[in-house]
Amino acid sequence: SQTIHQWPATLVQPVGSPLSLECTVEGTSNPNLYWYRQAAGRGLQLLFYSVGIGQISSEVPQNLSASRPQDRQFILSSKKLLLSDSGFYLCAWSADSSYEQYFGPGTRLTVT
Amino acid sequence: DQQVKQNSPSLSVQEGRISILNCDYTNSMFDYFLWYKKYPAEGPTFLISISSIKDKNEDGRFTVFLNKSAKHLSLHIVPSQPGDSAVYFCAAFSYSGAGSYQLTFGKGTKLSVIP
Repeated sequence: SQTIHQWPATLVQPVGSPLSLECTVEGTSNPNLYWYRQAAGRGLQLLFYSVGIGQISSEVPQNLSASRPQDRQFILSSKKLLLSDSGFYLCAWSADSSYEQYFGPGTRLTVT
Repeated sequence: DQQVKQNSPSLSVQEGRISILNCDYTNSMFDYFLWYKKYPAEGPTFLISISSIKDKNEDGRFTVFLNKSAKHLSLHIVPSQPGDSAVYFCAAFSYSGAGSYQLTFGKGTKLSVIP
């Protein structure tokens, strides 16, 4: 069966510090991968998605970036965090031909 | 502009009764709809979905209804159980070709089932 992992589970970082969140998927190959953010009182916002290694599409312009160095690895990064980057970050995957997306456990990021 | 709207931020229902969660959308290009359930500090879990060519899909206690002319869908949970207490997200899928597609989520409705 497929599983999706995210780490860390929680993170507290000062403003201006870098960020690296990692997501890996097991049990499937060539998944579509997604990064979402849920800010307080708001729905899930799609940040990036990837249909293959090195292929990243950005949905929202911001100071975040994403990379996919391996087929089942998706990384969310920032060079300098802002207070507004605080939120709950979720990685998700879907099979190439499927509408359903399956989410990881999430990372709670607090920028202080 | 919010393309998927869940106008009720919260809903309280007595255990054993029916829970009805509503969702409205504005984009006529949406062709597939999903409901997710989310507990605090966890990722959303897929619950049930419906294609735009159908008007009803049922899975156990969960039924989703789609009214395309009204651009409205609803999730019915019957009977409601305390374990159903969670935030429910409505999501809509659109594909615009050339590998460009996305899932658009509503803001969620917090369901509380009272024992």
